[in-house]
Amino acid sequence: GAVVSQHPSRVICKSGTSVKIECRSLDFQATTMFWYRQFPKQSLMLMATSNEGSKATYEQGVEKDKFLINHASLTLSTLTVTSAHPEDSSFYICSARDLSSGEGGAWEQYFGPGTRLTVT
Amino acid sequence: AQKITQTQPGMFVQEKEAVTLDCTYDTSDPSYGLFWYKQPSSGEMIFLIYQGSYDQQNATEGRYSLNFQKARKSANLVISASQLGDSAMYFCAMRTMDSNYQLIWGAGTKLIIKP
Repeated sequence: GAVVSQHPSRVICKSGTSVKIECRSLDFQATTMFWYRQFPKQSLMLMATSNEGSKATYEQGVEKDKFLINHASLTLSTLTVTSAHPEDSSFYICSARDLSSGEGGAWEQYFGPGTRLTVT
Repeated sequence: AQKITQTQPGMFVQEKEAVTLDCTYDTSDPSYGLFWYKQPSSGEMIFLIYQGSYDQQNATEGRYSLNFQKARKSANLVISASQLGDSAMYFCAMRTMDSNYQLIWGAGTKLIIKP
């Protein structure tokens, strides 16, 4: 099956620094990737939709200057948390849509294993 | 409005018993897909089962089955012969034709299997 990787799996950074999280589709091409944020014991919250070669579409309330998304290729999207603060500590998950999956079917999105960010 | 509702924040079930996790949905789109995901403490989202709105039969995948009641707009997940490893968060999600492939998520149900 299709595999999505995320790197790093865990990161601890100091307040004020920036952190980059990578999301890669390993064996398929992904025109669209989604970035989620998840607080403890809560559901996934969509932050933005990332399309290859174009600007990301951010959900309402998500600061695009703070959460920079770049989708430079069909297999890589990055999320950079700029000037991180403790309130940015969270679990970040990406998912990728398989370009070849067509309009229907179940296997449209594949999830990465997530990145746990702790800002001290 | 499109919405997924999971009314059970937590459930305790005895090992080997069957368990039903509730999910109701709301959409006016005639074409949609319903998903169940399992999220263990490690955090990864594990796809369990999918039901398309036009599927005539309830989806099944091993010990997982989806009780699809279209008129009631419900898509309950049934896990047969529960195992200790089934303890996790379970999320119901929906995709509609006009959602730009985004998934709409329920709040989740924390399932704990007791030995």
